[in-house]
Amino acid sequence: EIVLTQSPGTLSLSPGERATLSCRASQSVSSNYLAWYQQKPGQAPRILIYGASSRATGIPDRFSGSGSGTDFTLTISRLEPEDFAVYYCQQYGSSPRTFGQGTKVEIK
Amino acid sequence: QVQLQESGPGLVKPSGTLSLTCVVSGDSISSSKWWTWIRQPPGKGLEWIGEIYHSGSTNYNASLKSRVTISVDKSKNQFSLRLTSVSATDTAVYYCADPPAGHWGQGTLVTVSS
Repeated sequence: EIVLTQSPGTLSLSPGERATLSCRASQSVSSNYLAWYQQKPGQAPRILIYGASSRATGIPDRFSGSGSGTDFTLTISRLEPEDFAVYYCQQYGSSPRTFGQGTKVEIK
Repeated sequence: QVQLQESGPGLVKPSGTLSLTCVVSGDSISSSKWWTWIRQPPGKGLEWIGEIYHSGSTNYNASLKSRVTISVDKSKNQFSLRLTSVSATDTAVYYCADPPAGHWGQGTLVTVSS
C-alpha cells in the first residue's frame, strides 16, 4: 500500500498570497497517477488536478500541480477567499487508491 | 452531465449491515471506469473503501476487506456497497465516485447506533 503524507497539516495565509502544498508518497506513484481535491465544509470533494499536473475542467489557472515519482506539489498562485478549504491528494496508480491526510488552508 | 446519487438507510444498528446504492446518470456503468466508494468520518479525512469495474472485478481496502462487498447492476446502471458487522467507528459520510474523472455523489451520512 502506498502511504501519502501531506505537509504541512495547516497553512495559515492571507488572500493574495501563494500557497504551496506537498504530498509525498512512500513509493513511486505509477504513471504519476496523482490527483488533488479541494473540500469545503459540508461538500463533497472537488477534483482540481489529475495526472499530477493536468487541471480538471473549469479549474482556474491559479491552481497548478507538479511533481513525479514520490514528490508532488499543489500550488495556488494567489489565494482567493473561496480557496480556503482542505486539500487532499490521492494516488490512483495502484490499489488500494490511497488518500493523504489533508492540508487545511486557513485565513491568517 | 454525469451525476451520482447515493441512497440507503441513515441509521444502522451495531453488528448490523450497512447497505448503500449509487445510481449513475449521464454515463454508462459499463464505461471504462472504476466505480468507487469512499467514506469520511465526522471531522476526519477521506478513506478509500473499494472499487468495482463493470466486469465485476473488485479491489478493496485491506482493513475492511473481510466485511466489504461491492457489486454492480448493469440493468439499473448502479453499483452498491455492503458492509457487515458495523460498529460506531463505521459512522461516516459515504460517497460514491468515479475518480479521477471527478464525479462524486453528494454523500450520505450513515450513523451506527442502537
